[in-house]
Amino acid sequence: EDQVTQSPEALRLQEGESSSLNCSYTVSGLRGLFWYRQDPGKGPEFLFTLYSAGEEKEKERLKATLTKKESFLHITAPKPEDSATYLCAANPSGSARQLTFGSGTQLTVLP
Amino acid sequence: DAGVIQSPRHEVTEMGQEVTLRCKPISGHDYLFWYRQTMMRGLELLIYFNNNVPIDDSGMPEDRFSAKMPNASFSTLKIQPSEPRDSAVYFCASSFGGSETQYFGPGTRLLVL
Repeated sequence: EDQVTQSPEALRLQEGESSSLNCSYTVSGLRGLFWYRQDPGKGPEFLFTLYSAGEEKEKERLKATLTKKESFLHITAPKPEDSATYLCAANPSGSARQLTFGSGTQLTVLP
Repeated sequence: DAGVIQSPRHEVTEMGQEVTLRCKPISGHDYLFWYRQTMMRGLELLIYFNNNVPIDDSGMPEDRFSAKMPNASFSTLKIQPSEPRDSAVYFCASSFGGSETQYFGPGTRLLVL
């Protein structure tokens, strides 16, 4: 069964304190690994897609990386506005367009 | 573009009532997805359409749930009769054929009393 596990469930950082969020996946082949950001009361907002091991993508203070078993979302010098829940999702190769989502990491950045 | 539009944003109803959720995908997108999000189960795919045709409805929890897409710019998710365990946030998302990236709407928060 396809599975996506995120850790930690919650993370509190001081402003400027860099850290990483983990997304481990067990799927039958991987077509793509997606990261989304979700603010309270809103829908998930697309951040990145990664397709192959070794790939990296960056956007402002965020950098996503991918290995054969997991993905990391690195947050460099975070600001309070980076506080949100970060979701990762895998698109298994045999599942056409279906995404399997992890349960998310709730990030709080304190000023 | 306006993004994915969902209505209503909030719905409070009583057990046994019919509930209809509505979605307008991004113009030009040919895939449409319905998800349900709860604290216990996270984001779950219920059903998705391609070119207005349902492709996979294996995530629909039971016969009380039905979804339609009469045209490329409109879809509905209906629950009849509703039950308290259906309380959740329901999201609609869309994508276009050249990409697996899905774009989500703001969601409908449903509370069944």
